[in-house]
Amino acid sequence: QVQLQESGPGLVKPSETLSLTCSVSGGSISSGRYSWSWIRQPAGQGLEWIGFVYTNGNTRYNPSLKSRVTISLDTSKNQFSLELTSVTATDTAVYYCARGFGDGANFFFDSWGQGTLVTVSS
Amino acid sequence: DIVMTQSPDSLAVSLGERAAINCKSSVSVLYSPNNRNYLAWYQQKPGQPPKLLIYWASTRQSGVPDRFSGSGSGTDFTLTISSLQPEDVAVYYCQQYAGNPYTFGQGTKLEIK
Repeated sequence: QVQLQESGPGLVKPSETLSLTCSVSGGSISSGRYSWSWIRQPAGQGLEWIGFVYTNGNTRYNPSLKSRVTISLDTSKNQFSLELTSVTATDTAVYYCARGFGDGANFFFDSWGQGTLVTVSS
Repeated sequence: DIVMTQSPDSLAVSLGERAAINCKSSVSVLYSPNNRNYLAWYQQKPGQPPKLLIYWASTRQSGVPDRFSGSGSGTDFTLTISSLQPEDVAVYYCQQYAGNPYTFGQGTKLEIK
């Protein structure tokens, strides 16, 4: 049973960079069957997919965030990471990491981390 | 973006009764070459991450009780709980994974009447 766990600062200042890491256990992040995503949820609101990284390092991002997002893999640590630049208060949310499974090109999310709250405030 | 619209926004159902949640996509999420609908359903309880219930519109995830079922094709989908249990109180989301970006419905809050 794969498990995912987010880590990173809970408070980020406006205009700075939000950085989070997702540690994966119980399975290899290098398995070619999956993608690895970040998804966020502002308090009391719905879910927004941010983007994913494939096991080969290729990425796909939500066009609304593409100019500010980088998602990367660290296979040696069995982790993947999110960087979101130039944050504002609207980036305040619970951030989830999730494993994607599907047809190899498009994915639903079959395992999720518990989520980590990131607040953007000075 | 593909817009996913759920109805109703909230729903109260008596224990043991049937609950149905609808999800409509702004464009078809049916991919004709493989005849698959790129539509998933999730359950989210307070303070928890979403949990996958259904994928390919009607395939139940392993371990999900068989009172949960998904149906529909193209642009119109339904999640049905055949006999509501207390532990089913949650917010339910549909998600399309046919197009970039992947998008979710706004959520339907299910409560006990």
